[in-house]
Order: sequence, then structure tokens, then C-alpha cells
Amino acid sequence: NAGVTQTPKFQVLKTGQSMTLQCAQDMNHNSMYWYRQDPGMGLRLIYYSASEGTTDKGEVPNGYNVSRLNKREFSLRLESAAPSQTSVYFCASSQTGYGYTFGSGTRLTVV
Amino acid sequence: AQSVTQPDIHITVSEGASLELRCNYSYGATPYLFWYVQSPGQGLQLLLKYFSGDTLVQGIKGFEAEFKRSQSSFNLRKPSVHWSDAAEYFCAVGARGNTPLVFGKGTRLSVIA
Repeated sequence: NAGVTQTPKFQVLKTGQSMTLQCAQDMNHNSMYWYRQDPGMGLRLIYYSASEGTTDKGEVPNGYNVSRLNKREFSLRLESAAPSQTSVYFCASSQTGYGYTFGSGTRLTVV
Repeated sequence: AQSVTQPDIHITVSEGASLELRCNYSYGATPYLFWYVQSPGQGLQLLLKYFSGDTLVQGIKGFEAEFKRSQSSFNLRKPSVHWSDAAEYFCAVGARGNTPLVFGKGTRLSVIA
């Protein structure tokens, strides 16, 4: 039982490059989330998908887009990376009434 | 809007000593409350949760937390800390339904011999 799988685990981008962070869950959860974690800031919500076919902005959506490809997969895209997007990105999933299951994270550095 | 405050950025305790990590929340109705732990370089793991009922909840690894509505608090406790408990701890609050959780900024726990 893999839970929530994120790829890649590490990535270095140059300013202006684009990339997609992948997230897949095998628990049949309805809801999926993308957070970023920065020192001293805790976890801040970027986007979430309450159910397949819906997405909503979170606290810090600027510079990001998401796609809920199907019930299992929820990807996060950076169209033009900026140094301010250097962070650790976590994907999570949940079923209503339960806590989140988190992936192991993607550590992204933008130079 | 929901918010979570973890007043202590960093706490150091001796191995075998008791631990209490503070969490205060702001939310209009009865919240869902969670504690997560993050070991260095790892994702977050659920320690325990409160939805309703008994205000003292037991979690994994010997942790417990008490919901106090009058104080808007959900403090995490452990009677005897082990060196392996050194990690970062996050409190989170959520509403019923699919509303995303709001996390506190975390408390880093160091354990000394």
C-alpha cells in the first residue's frame, strides 16, 4: 500500500523554466491538496481539489496551476519558476472526516 | 477564518521528562483538530485527531491531547520523552466537510540526554 506518491523528490530549476510536480494516491480518497513548506511559515495551502473535477485556490496560488487528472492524480505546475518558489512541496489526500495522508515531499530549488 | 497559533517555536527537553506542546485555535464552530509530526527530511505523520466526544484523545507513540473549548486549546502531551521524539510538530484545525486544514507554524522539539 503506497499511500501518496510524489515525484520527483528533488529538483533544481533555472529561473523561468517550467515543471510539473506529480502526485498520486491509491486510497480512493476524494480530496487532494498541495501545500508548500518554508522555514518558520508552517504549511501553506496552494491549491486543493475537494473531489474529482473540481479545484480551488488556497492561500498562496500565484505562480501555480493544478490539474486533477482523475481521482488518483493531482499535479502542480510551475509555468515560469521564480526563486521565491524555492520550497518543499507536499501533496496530501483525505477522505471526508479523516486526517490527511501526506506524501514524502518534493524539495525544489530555483536558481 | 480559521487560524492556529503554536506559541513555542523551539522547545528543548531532557530525555525522560514530560512534554507539553501548546496549540491555540480560532474557529467559530466545533472544529476538527489534529497533531502531526515531521521527522527531518520526511513527510508529516498523523499523531492524533479530535472530532467530537471525549476531550482527551490518545494517539500513536504514547502521545495524547486534550481539547479545551473554553480556552480554544488542543495541547499535546507525553509523560516521558524519548530521543526519537525529536522532530517538528504541527497543530492543524479544520471544519466539517472538505474544507482544507489550516496548519500552525510548528514547534521544533529537541531532546537532550
